[in-house]
Amino acid sequence: GAVVSQHPSWVICKSGTSVKIECRSLDFQATTMFWYRQFPKQSLMLMATSNEGSKATYEQGVEKDKFLINHASLTLSTLTVTSAHPEDSSFYICSASETGPRPYEQYFGPGTRLTVT
Amino acid sequence: AQSVTQLDSQVPVFEEAPVELRCNYSSSVSVYLFWYVQYPNQGLQLLLKYLSGSTLVKGINGFEAEFNKSQTSFHLRKPSVHISDTAEYFCAVSEGIYNQGGKLIFGQGTELSVKP
Repeated sequence: GAVVSQHPSWVICKSGTSVKIECRSLDFQATTMFWYRQFPKQSLMLMATSNEGSKATYEQGVEKDKFLINHASLTLSTLTVTSAHPEDSSFYICSASETGPRPYEQYFGPGTRLTVT
Repeated sequence: AQSVTQLDSQVPVFEEAPVELRCNYSSSVSVYLFWYVQYPNQGLQLLLKYLSGSTLVKGINGFEAEFNKSQTSFHLRKPSVHISDTAEYFCAVSEGIYNQGGKLIFGQGTELSVKP
């Protein structure tokens, strides 16, 4: 149980275009989803926290107009990188917290490798 | 503000040897502590967690960790490692579960390299 999927697993896009990454909780309802960014050989950096039906809370330094997050249902959150540039190339990982008595455990997706050329 | 420090960026060890990956945290309130493992180009897998109760926590793959409140540490140990344990290991802390929605703060990671 508690499986989180991400789609696509990797994507290459041209500079200036936008790309959408989906994060789904497959067998549970996720009240909260988190989006992280990870550069090579580095730790995970939390970008934003999203709760179903409300606006995402962005961490300091993360451009909310560039990284659009939508959490339209209890099983789906999307991250859209708008007007992507090479410096946005990174590994993006989402996680989800289960609705109910155990909100403290996050289940992680397999990640999406974004390369902007 | 809470923070997590993993004291070793790389730990090389021979197969079947014991290993300890060190993690210290700082926080002004009670915390919940986690260890995750990440294999190349994959997401994170939970190894173990400390929420309350016994300070010695056992996880998957033969790993265990001990919560030491006075030293604010949560070191990860395994008595005998395998080649397959080669991966990146992350320590993470969460405080204010309901206030912050369980937000996790990660350490910098420790690369465990098991050699034959």
